[in-house]
Amino acid sequence: AQTVTQSQPEMSVQEAETVTLSCTYDTSESDYYLFWYKQPPSRQMILVIRQEAYKQQNATENRFSVNFQKAAKSFSLKISDSQLGDAAMYFCAYCNTGNQFYFGTGTSLTVIP
Amino acid sequence: GAVVSQHPSWVICKSGTSVKIECRSLDFQATTMFWYRQFPKQSLMLMATSNEGSKATYEQGVEKDKFLINHASLTLSTLTVTSAHPEDSSFYICSAWDRGFSYEQYFGPGTRLTVT
Repeated sequence: AQTVTQSQPEMSVQEAETVTLSCTYDTSESDYYLFWYKQPPSRQMILVIRQEAYKQQNATENRFSVNFQKAAKSFSLKISDSQLGDAAMYFCAYCNTGNQFYFGTGTSLTVIP
Repeated sequence: GAVVSQHPSWVICKSGTSVKIECRSLDFQATTMFWYRQFPKQSLMLMATSNEGSKATYEQGVEKDKFLINHASLTLSTLTVTSAHPEDSSFYICSAWDRGFSYEQYFGPGTRLTVT
């Protein structure tokens, strides 16, 4: 199985500031998808952003953007203008061609008012 | 967006009994559903992949005789934890794949299982 590594178990950011969450993955496949999911205390998984591996352009969704470095197998998430509602666990996920998801260990994000 | 429900949201059972968890896609057909297990403050671990009308594919280390998965229709998959023990206590999450949207999975709200 593919491995996904999130090296930051906890991160904090001041409200309105920018924070970057790191993610690396290991795969021998060339075709795959990468995702960032948010899990608030309710435990409901919420899709934040997705990136197709064949696309060179980094995905952007409002205040959320990624830095996808395919050669380095790196997929970081940048949250701009952080809001209190952004506080949650963030999981990086790798999806193979069989549509199986493999999740990283998560980063707990705290937003400081 | 698509909605996936799980029932029950929380179940408490005695050691040795079996418990069934349902996962339903409410407004789309899911050819494939996935079951995950999540321990407190840990990541989601893929347990098995469930395809409608066929046997589930289990990840390495997951006991197929203990975690029975049935995907009888395009909108329903069930996970039965047989002869549950306290170490099976965990949070179980399902997700469903909408074949109309490649690689888009929708997650259920999860089921908390407590085995006493």
